[in-house]
Amino acid sequence: SQQGEEDPQALSIQEGENATMNCSYKTSINNLQWYRQNSGRGLVHLILIRSNEREKHSGRLRVTLDTSKKSSSLLITASRAADTASYFCATDDQGAQKLVFGQGTRLTINP
Amino acid sequence: DTEVTQTPKHLVMGMTNKKSLKCEQHMGHRAMYWYKQKAKKPPELMFVYSYEKLSINESVPSRFSPECPNSSLLNLHLHALQPEDSALYLCASSQGWIAGGYEQFFGPGTRLTVL
Repeated sequence: SQQGEEDPQALSIQEGENATMNCSYKTSINNLQWYRQNSGRGLVHLILIRSNEREKHSGRLRVTLDTSKKSSSLLITASRAADTASYFCATDDQGAQKLVFGQGTRLTINP
Repeated sequence: DTEVTQTPKHLVMGMTNKKSLKCEQHMGHRAMYWYKQKAKKPPELMFVYSYEKLSINESVPSRFSPECPNSSLLNLHLHALQPEDSALYLCASSQGWIAGGYEQFFGPGTRLTVL
């Protein structure tokens, strides 16, 4: 299946440190997206990166995409307690009308 | 208005009940989605509506029946559910129907418990 694998499954760091999470997928994609979900709530879109892009920034977020390795990473710099959440990558099969979400990384920022 | 609203926030129902979940967006989005999410798992796609027509049904049991009365509204009718159907049900919408190319806006979800 296309479902992404995320690594690590859980990450706990101190406030102010950087957090890096990784996503790997199996088949060719057009786009890859990252979402955040606070406990038991809806998902919030963070970044969309297209297959012809290698890196994208949004505020404290940096996403990279390596299509040759079928992997992406999300870096959150200078973490804050409010960044505590689950983070999901989501990929599309080329031309597919749906997103398939990875298993997610649960990030905890300790004050 | 960049919000997707869902009602109710919580729902408890027996296995013989009939209930409906409601989702609404006023962003002019042409694609709307239902997802099911179990605890500590990713969202799983159930249905996709494009331009008010059902375009994807992910082999969802018939006890779940989606409806799109107009471009702003999406309903999920529930009947004869099983306890294993207890989950967070998320609605989402996107501007375009090529899912990967557009960000999806999610509602806060309905927490469903089936007794």
